[in-house]
Amino acid sequence: AQKVTQAQTEISVVEKEDVTLDCVYETRDTTYYLFWYKQPPSGELVFLIRRNSFDEQNEISGRYSWNFQKSTSSFNFTITASQVVDSAVYFCALSEEAPQGGSEKLVFGKGTKLTVNP
Amino acid sequence: ETGVTQTPRHLVMGMTNKKSLKCEQHLGHNAMYWYKQSAKKPLELMFVYNFKEQTENNSVPSRFSPECPNSSHLFLHLHTLQPEDSALYLCASSRQLAGGLADTQYFGPGTRLTVL
Repeated sequence: AQKVTQAQTEISVVEKEDVTLDCVYETRDTTYYLFWYKQPPSGELVFLIRRNSFDEQNEISGRYSWNFQKSTSSFNFTITASQVVDSAVYFCALSEEAPQGGSEKLVFGKGTKLTVNP
Repeated sequence: ETGVTQTPRHLVMGMTNKKSLKCEQHLGHNAMYWYKQSAKKPLELMFVYNFKEQTENNSVPSRFSPECPNSSHLFLHLHTLQPEDSALYLCASSRQLAGGLADTQYFGPGTRLTVL
């Protein structure tokens, strides 16, 4: 069965610190996608990144970077020089292959609450 | 323009009330989803609609009744709810690709539901 583990329930850092959010997944699918979403206090899940299982190249977008390692089934997310506005709950998710006639679904981790203090 | 909108943003209802949650997407997607997010629990997928057809019902109690009149609108009709149904209800949409694959899901802001 698909599973996503975010072992860090809560992380608290001081502004300008770098912080890494861990994500470990389990799947039997050969083709899958991994995602990160951000949920600020307002509630909306904001899409951050989608990564294909065949693309292990790390990605950087501004202060955000992602490290995908298939060998360890991990897809970790690093925020460099954190800011107060980064405070949110961050979810890692894994796509689940659709059953016959069905739809692809996302399996979410429980989320990591990040607090960035000024 | 906000891609996925949900109304109302907050709802308080009694156990005997009937209410509906509305979701609208302006992204040209053809798949829509309802999720439930309770405190300290992972997001739970409730329903999936592809091209207005329900393709997933994740063992949701019948007091939750979804409706998808077209690819842009999704409703969740609520009746005889229980206090434990209090949660954030999130709507999402995506493009549905061939072979059951789905593109990235984009979420609305959610409806915070409190059942008294």
